[in-house]
Amino acid sequence: TQLLEQSPQFLSIQEGENLTVYCNSSSVFSSLQWYRQEPGEGPVLLVTVVTGGEVKKLKRLTFQFGDARKDSSLHITAAQPGDTGLYLCAGPRMDSSYKLIFGSGTRLLVRP
Amino acid sequence: NAGVTQTPKFQVLKTGQSMTLQCAQDMNHEYMSWYRQDPGMGLRLIHYSVGAGITDQGEVPNGYNVSRSTTEDFPLRLLSAAPSQTSVYFCASSYGQGYQPQHFGDGTRLSIL
Repeated sequence: TQLLEQSPQFLSIQEGENLTVYCNSSSVFSSLQWYRQEPGEGPVLLVTVVTGGEVKKLKRLTFQFGDARKDSSLHITAAQPGDTGLYLCAGPRMDSSYKLIFGSGTRLLVRP
Repeated sequence: NAGVTQTPKFQVLKTGQSMTLQCAQDMNHEYMSWYRQDPGMGLRLIHYSVGAGITDQGEVPNGYNVSRSTTEDFPLRLLSAAPSQTSVYFCASSYGQGYQPQHFGDGTRLSIL
């Protein structure tokens, strides 16, 4: 069974600090996606990483896909209160690419 | 563009009651899916559809039925609600397979008493 484990579960930091959240698996994924979810809303896609070792940047957010395609990280530089939310990683099952597996998420609170 | 629309936003049911959660998308996406989100467990796939007339089970299908008669609509039916089905339900659509961006609705918060 493919699983995605995210860490930490909760993170509370001061505005301006840097942080990294992780998404790990013992299985290979063909791609991984990162979503952000705000209270009362559905998840919104931030990025998709496809190639092992790939690094993508979205303003202050940097996403990396592990060389072996078993893990990914999200690094936020100079966090702002607007970054507050639930960060979810997701990837398609190897035996059925129509079935998306989600991690349990990292809940981030950025205090002003 | 409305995107993915889910109704109702909130619902309270008694054990044993039935209901249908509605989902509609206006992006002409072939792929649609239903997830439930419970605290500490992320999103879990209930059922999905790769096109009109085609549905398949996800990871947690028991107690739920789906059908897909049109490209736009993908309703989720609870035949006999149980307290274990208390959750937030999300519908999503995309152009195709798992690496495609999933577009989510805002969810239905369902409580079973």
